Amino acid sequence: NAGVTQTPKFQVLKTGQSMTLQCAQDMNHEYMSWYRQDPGMGLRLIHYSVGAGITDQGEVPNGYNVSRSTTEDFPLRLLSAAPSQTSVYFCASSFKRAQYFGPGTRLLVL
Amino acid sequence: QKEVEQDPGPLSVPEGAIVSLNCTYSNSAFQYFMWYRQYSRKGPELLMYTYSSGNKEDGRFTAQVDKSSKYISLFIRDSQPSDSATYLCARTSGNTGKLIFGQGTTLQVKP
Repeated sequence: NAGVTQTPKFQVLKTGQSMTLQCAQDMNHEYMSWYRQDPGMGLRLIHYSVGAGITDQGEVPNGYNVSRSTTEDFPLRLLSAAPSQTSVYFCASSFKRAQYFGPGTRLLVL
Repeated sequence: QKEVEQDPGPLSVPEGAIVSLNCTYSNSAFQYFMWYRQYSRKGPELLMYTYSSGNKEDGRFTAQVDKSSKYISLFIRDSQPSDSATYLCARTSGNTGKLIFGQGTTLQVKP
């Protein structure tokens, strides 16, 4: 199993650009989530999904969209990037409450 | 008040020391508690999780939960330089699978 994979590993955007962060898992987990990690802030939940077709907002959802058309994939879309979205983004999938994280995407918005 | 509080450190100890990492939480609802380890520029990896009060041991690691004090701890025995990382505590939120994380404590074990 590859576990949780994320692409790209690093991305530079200009303010106002849009992009999609990809996340995939091959463990058949129903629950998936997106976090951002900033210095001194820990991990903050952006959006999560309890299964295909079902998504909900987390703690910091503004400026981000998600969809879940398959069990395997859970992409995160930045609609109009802002410098405040400079962060490290982690995707996770969950089995019996234990969440397994991907390697992260480092995003720099100029 | 944050729902899960954790001293960010950094915490520096000599190799072989016993390390104590701690978190406090504010919600008393039914929940599980987890400890994650995160190396620099890597994703968090699950170390241990527990529900009940008391201790859970896995090799050199012991997780302890005191629900009466709303206090969770991770003890590392015979600490090694390879234990140098950020340690994140977390608790579940409801039955949706959501986790609430502390800020993380950075640990450095010096040879």
